[in-house]
Amino acid sequence: AQKITQTQPGMFVQEKEAVTLDCTYDTSDPSYGLFWYKQPSSGEMIFLIYQGSYDQQNATEGRYSLNFQKARKSANLVISASQLGDSAMYFCAMSPSTGNQFYFGTGTSLTVIP
Amino acid sequence: DAGVTQSPTHLIKTRGQHVTLRCSPISGHKSVSWYQQVLGQGPQFIFQYYEKEERGRGNFPDRFSARQFPNYSSELNVNALLLGDSALYLCASSQKGRPSGANVLTFGAGSRLTVL
Repeated sequence: AQKITQTQPGMFVQEKEAVTLDCTYDTSDPSYGLFWYKQPSSGEMIFLIYQGSYDQQNATEGRYSLNFQKARKSANLVISASQLGDSAMYFCAMSPSTGNQFYFGTGTSLTVIP
Repeated sequence: DAGVTQSPTHLIKTRGQHVTLRCSPISGHKSVSWYQQVLGQGPQFIFQYYEKEERGRGNFPDRFSARQFPNYSSELNVNALLLGDSALYLCASSQKGRPSGANVLTFGAGSRLTVL
């Protein structure tokens, strides 16, 4: 069975500070992809960052980085220098090699405080 | 370039009715996936179509059906609506089938369905 767990329903961060959003996953597939998406109140899911299960380096995309700890099955998102526009829901998702779908977590609501 | 477009954006139906939701993928994308997002939850996979063939189906009842047209646009149909079908229905497109770093899913803004 595939499962994504996000244990932080809501997070607050001061503008310009860094924040870490937690994600753990469970899968028996040896090969999988991990994704983070941002969902503003408009509803559209915006792709942020991707990490492959065999990637040796942690992924980075601008202010986003993924802290991938394979043995712990965790894929935490780090947002550096938070901006007011970062306030949104954030979803961690996994795509195993055996299927064509995403498994999503329940999301974390991030609020950036001026 | 146009992103993934979905219509309608909002709609209200009553129990027992039927609904059709539409999705136009990004130009050049041949795969369309549908997800249901109930308020306060993460999206749940419903269907995936690639090259007009169903390539995946989630754990949804037979009241849910979909199809993909020759231009790669797609429709999601839900019959005999229940209150629990109230949700945001998201469509996502990609060039190929399985999501990966080289085949990222791009989502539309969704169709928000309310069943009364």
